[in-house]
Amino acid sequence: QVQLVQSGAEVKKPGSSVKVSCKASGGILSSYTISWVRQAPGQGLEWMGRIIPVLSIANYALKFQGRVTITADKSTSTAYMELSSLRSEDTAVYYCAHMDQYTYAFDYWGQGTLVTVSS
Amino acid sequence: QSALTQPASVSGSPGQSITISCTGTSSDVGDYKYVSWYQQHPGKAPKLMIYEVSYRPSGVSNRFSGSKSGNTASLTISGLQADDEAHYYCCLYTRSSTLFGGGTKLTVL
Repeated sequence: QVQLVQSGAEVKKPGSSVKVSCKASGGILSSYTISWVRQAPGQGLEWMGRIIPVLSIANYALKFQGRVTITADKSTSTAYMELSSLRSEDTAVYYCAHMDQYTYAFDYWGQGTLVTVSS
Repeated sequence: QSALTQPASVSGSPGQSITISCTGTSSDVGDYKYVSWYQQHPGKAPKLMIYEVSYRPSGVSNRFSGSKSGNTASLTISGLQADDEAHYYCCLYTRSSTLFGGGTKLTVL
């Protein structure tokens, strides 16, 4: 059973950066993919990008290219999402999600990390 | 790529059936089979309900079913129960991206 545990809530100033972690455990296959999905207050889900940790290959949604960096540490099965040049509109819950390599569906989700951007 | 289009809200009475649509284009929903659906209760992480258009993960009630016709995928919930009240999101995986629908609020009357 896969478990994804994310780092805790963050409060950041506009213009700064935030880095959120997601540690995977249990039943991880070698070619799994981790995506980052965010949800602003009262809004829907928004895909930001994904990484294949074993290959360290990442790709990003056009909206976030240049501002988001997704990395992974294979040795600790931990993925990271760093978002820079933060603005108030980035206030959201950020989720990591494990994508099954056969069904291409998000079968496991982290608990979510609230990032608040406020001066 | 734009988000997939879902109705903002649907409602139904206990025991009834409802269908939520998810409309894309011939370049996304019409061209890929990796449509999935997620249920999200307030304050909780999304939960996978349907994958690859019409398959249910283990543990998901057979009251939930999925289909696709052309550029539109659909989620049908039969025998509505109070606990089905939640937001539902469709999702499409493509080689270069992943798209979500805007979400549909299901109210059980």
